[in-house]
Amino acid sequence: SQKIEQNSEALNIQEGKTATLTCNYTNYSPAYLQWYRQDPGRGPVFLLLIRENEKEKRKERLKVTFDTTLKQSLFHITASQPADSATYLCALDGEGNNRLAFGKGNQVVVIP
Amino acid sequence: DTGVSQNPRHKITKRGQNVTFRCDPISEHNRLYWYRQTLGQGPEFLTYFQNEAQLEKSRLLSDRFSAERPKGSFSTLEIQRTEQGDSAMYLCASSPGTPTPRGYTFGSGTRLTVV
Repeated sequence: SQKIEQNSEALNIQEGKTATLTCNYTNYSPAYLQWYRQDPGRGPVFLLLIRENEKEKRKERLKVTFDTTLKQSLFHITASQPADSATYLCALDGEGNNRLAFGKGNQVVVIP
Repeated sequence: DTGVSQNPRHKITKRGQNVTFRCDPISEHNRLYWYRQTLGQGPEFLTYFQNEAQLEKSRLLSDRFSAERPKGSFSTLEIQRTEQGDSAMYLCASSPGTPTPRGYTFGSGTRLTVV
């Protein structure tokens, strides 16, 4: 069966350090993968998209890697700040590229 | 354009009642999606429209759920004979189509509580 797995345990990290989140998938062949941020009681907010032929993408303090051989994406927040505290969702295109399938998300808590 | 708008933000209903939610997408986006999210889970796909055509519906979606997007603009999601298990956040998103470097734009959601 198809799975998108993100660590269920919250990541507690000291301010200024780099937070690294993992997204593993099974039985998908995504053309692209996306990362979203979600704050409590709010809808997800799009952060980054990376295509299957791209190894790495950066946006300000964010970096995403995509390894289609390992079926894994890594999401990094460098120089983390308390305002980065949120849940981060991995999403990839499902069958026929018609819509996104989401992981459960991984909570990040940045400690001042 | 102020983004994707969903109404109401919160809805409390008694079991067995019908409820309807509205989503106003970004006007130039031709794709509209409905997702459902429960606590601790990621958004779960329900259905999506390209313009006014409903192109895909999740196999998990019971016949009590119906969605429309008349004229390819706003969309409504109706749940008939609500059950306690329907309690969740219902999210609407829109996009210009795939591939889209900007991803989906989500609304703030409608939180449904069935008592």
